[in-house]
Amino acid sequence: GQNIDQPTEMTATEGAIVQINCTYQTSGFNGLFWYQQHAGEAPTFLSYNVLDGLEEKGRFSSFLSRSKGYSYLLLKELQMKDSASYLCAVRGGFSGGYNKLIFGAGTRLAVHP
Amino acid sequence: GAVVSQHPSWVICKSGTSVKIECRSLDFQATTMFWYRQFPKQSLMLMATSNEGSKATYEQGVEKDKFLINHASLTLSTLTVTSAHPEDSSFYICSADPGLAGVGDTQYFGPGTRLTVL
Repeated sequence: GQNIDQPTEMTATEGAIVQINCTYQTSGFNGLFWYQQHAGEAPTFLSYNVLDGLEEKGRFSSFLSRSKGYSYLLLKELQMKDSASYLCAVRGGFSGGYNKLIFGAGTRLAVHP
Repeated sequence: GAVVSQHPSWVICKSGTSVKIECRSLDFQATTMFWYRQFPKQSLMLMATSNEGSKATYEQGVEKDKFLINHASLTLSTLTVTSAHPEDSSFYICSADPGLAGVGDTQYFGPGTRLTVL
């Protein structure tokens, strides 16, 4: 089956660092994505990992271990505007001849002063 | 670049009516578009994959006769919710694949359409 797990909610302090974990079990794997979604808005792309290791993009970093079925998103120097849901998505199945994205339930992050 | 629009952004309709939602890729061509549904505090659930010039591929449990998808051009896909009922009230989001022009083949999402069926 297809299963993607991530914590439901997290809280953190402005200026701090937070790590959001994601574990997955999918029938196939062709990349892992992290998206940010503010309430009532569409997701926006944050990062993409297809090989093991760390990808860094400014305040955001994402790590992948394919052997462990594990990824994390690291957010540094937290700002109030980082309060949002963070979605882990695995590209792992075929839909219409294209690898489809399977989304986790999302982690709601609340950043407080 | 890679902007996707949706229209309307929100719609309220009576039970039994049909609603059409448009998804457009504004600055790129998309042979493949995806339609998702998101209920409050839940994640995105893929409904169907839309390929230009061919029939859509629906996910298990999604009624193809209720959710009609048309991908008539490389920049436009439409989702029609036929005979809508209150349980169809949800946030509908489309995404488009820019192919090799994208980053890691990511999908770019539209802003979503909030459907409320009374």
